[in-house]
Amino acid sequence: AQSVTQLDSQVPVFEEAPVELRCNYSSSVSVYLFWYVQYPNQGLQLLLKYLSGSTLVKGINGFEAEFNKSQTSFHLRKPSVHISDTAEYFCAVSEDRGSTLGRLYFGRGTQLTVWP
Amino acid sequence: KAGVTQTPRYLIKTRGQQVTLSCSPISGHRSVSWYQQTPGQGLQFLFEYFSETQRNKGNFPGRFSGRQFSNSRSEMNVSTLELGDSALYLCASSPRGELNTEAFFGQGTRLTVV
Repeated sequence: AQSVTQLDSQVPVFEEAPVELRCNYSSSVSVYLFWYVQYPNQGLQLLLKYLSGSTLVKGINGFEAEFNKSQTSFHLRKPSVHISDTAEYFCAVSEDRGSTLGRLYFGRGTQLTVWP
Repeated sequence: KAGVTQTPRYLIKTRGQQVTLSCSPISGHRSVSWYQQTPGQGLQFLFEYFSETQRNKGNFPGRFSGRQFSNSRSEMNVSTLELGDSALYLCASSPRGELNTEAFFGQGTRLTVV
């Protein structure tokens, strides 16, 4: 089974400051990696995903993430945050083969709060 | 194109009752999966369906069941509700049997068991 660890449960930051949300995973097989955002009383919206190719992935709303296979990490970054970025962010992994095909494994989430 | 539609959005049930939640995937999508989200356990996988067949099931008791219809719409049912079943239930769909690479989520159904 996969394991996803989001190292920070809460990240407070001031508007226009940079932010990094950390995600590490453990897996014995090749994985796909995702970041989702959830606003209050809403579902999950895909920010970006890594399937293959370039390890630097750009997503919506100015977010990007870098896949580091040796460190089994997929940290999410944004150079300048806005108050509207306040939300909960989830890192997720899935396997590219095997009996758990289709299943996403989620981290516990990081609450990003942007202060004016 | 309409997104994944889950109905109802909010539901209050009494302990011991049963409940059915509905998920209509994006038009043309054939795969559907369900997740339970609680503050204590986070996001946990319930089921995955592709072309009316359950391909995968999470570690939930038999009180949780689901099905997928020929039009790809899916329902999940929880019988003998317990207080701990209170959660946000999320449905996701994918165009093909590839929920591991592409999953679009609905707004969820908030179930409260009293």
